[in-house]
Amino acid sequence: QKEVEQNSGPLSVPEGAIASLNCTYSDRGSQSFFWYRQYSGKSPELIMFIYSNGDKEDGRFTAQLNKASQYVSLLIRDSQPSDSATYLCAVNSGTSYGKLTFGQGTILTVHP
Amino acid sequence: DVKVTQSSRYLVKRTGEKVFLECVQDMDHENMFWYRQDPGLGLRLIYFSYDVKMKEKGDIPEGYSVSREKKERFSLILESASTNQTSMYLCASSLTDGTDTQYFGPGTRLTVL
Repeated sequence: QKEVEQNSGPLSVPEGAIASLNCTYSDRGSQSFFWYRQYSGKSPELIMFIYSNGDKEDGRFTAQLNKASQYVSLLIRDSQPSDSATYLCAVNSGTSYGKLTFGQGTILTVHP
Repeated sequence: DVKVTQSSRYLVKRTGEKVFLECVQDMDHENMFWYRQDPGLGLRLIYFSYDVKMKEKGDIPEGYSVSREKKERFSLILESASTNQTSMYLCASSLTDGTDTQYFGPGTRLTVL
């Protein structure tokens, strides 16, 4: 069973701080890694994806991938109350028609 | 922008009814997916389709069927709705371009009484 593990949280950070969200995966064949944000009662929206080891930055968001350790993380700089949401990590294997395996999600709360 | 739409945001049905949930995407994506999401259980894949008339079972297909007669449209069918099918249903689509990036519709909150 391919697994994606996330700390469910809740993770609470003060406004302006860096929020660090972590994800580990079991399938060494995984090639693509995604972070989605989901507000309560809404559907997941893509924040960013990463394929190569290292860091990828997009605005206040940085994804970090370490395939050797099977670890992917998301850093949110200058956290805002509007960042309060559940963050889903997703991983593919590149073999099954684009299927993704999702983690359970980490609840992030940014307090003023 | 990718646009995935679902036929209803909220739906209330009675036990035993046949329920149709429809999903339409406008980006010519080959792959389409149906998930359900329940508190504490995360996103679970029900069925997916990689081409017109092609379908594959996901992790929890029991009690569901699907139809894909046109590339842009993927329907989820609950043959005889039961109370344990009360859930948030999410449709997603993706392109076969090696990225496997999935884009989600707004979701349908289904309540079966």
